Amino acid sequence: AQSVAQPEDQVNVAEGNPLTVKCTYSVSGNPYLFWYVQYPNRGLQFLLKYITGDNLVKGSYGFEAEFNKSQTSFHLKKPSALVSDSALYFCAVRDYSGTYKYIFGTGTRLKVLA
Amino acid sequence: KAGVTQTPRYLIKTRGQQVTLSCSPISGHRSVSWYQQTPGQGLQFLFEYFSETQRNKGNFPGRFSGRQFSNSRSEMNVSTLELGDSALYLCASSFGEGVDEQYFGPGTRLTVT
Repeated sequence: AQSVAQPEDQVNVAEGNPLTVKCTYSVSGNPYLFWYVQYPNRGLQFLLKYITGDNLVKGSYGFEAEFNKSQTSFHLKKPSALVSDSALYFCAVRDYSGTYKYIFGTGTRLKVLA
Repeated sequence: KAGVTQTPRYLIKTRGQQVTLSCSPISGHRSVSWYQQTPGQGLQFLFEYFSETQRNKGNFPGRFSGRQFSNSRSEMNVSTLELGDSALYLCASSFGEGVDEQYFGPGTRLTVT
């Protein structure tokens, strides 16, 4: 069965430091991977996606993610965190060899400290 | 372009009642998905519609149903409400199926008492 794991409920990072939010996945076929962000009192917003090609994907607001097939990971990264990046981040996978359902991780709360 | 809209934004219902939630996708988007968001379970996929056809269904009881109209607007219905149905229900639209990213609405906060 396909699944997504976000092992950290919360990540704290100082402003200006690099940040990483972890995501691992399990699918039976080729994964299509996504990151979404949910700001307080706002809906989820799309950040970036990996479909095929370059393993390093660049997205909105300076975020990027690296697809690692051997480690089945798709970690979200940013070189320099901003306080305004504080939000709830969701990783999602869609498996096109199986049920095609969107599966979301449980979310990681990112707190950037000034 | 207007975003995804959901109505109503807030709803309070009593156990045993039924409820209908509405979603209007972004103009031109033909795929609509529904999710249930709770603090303990995160985002749980309910169903996905494309061109009025249900493409996928999550692991929810038959009390949860949905439909999509020819203008891509979608509704979901929950019958015989239970306390555990209290959640934020999110609708998301995308241009097509497949690799397209989803655009989410603000959600309908349902409270069952």
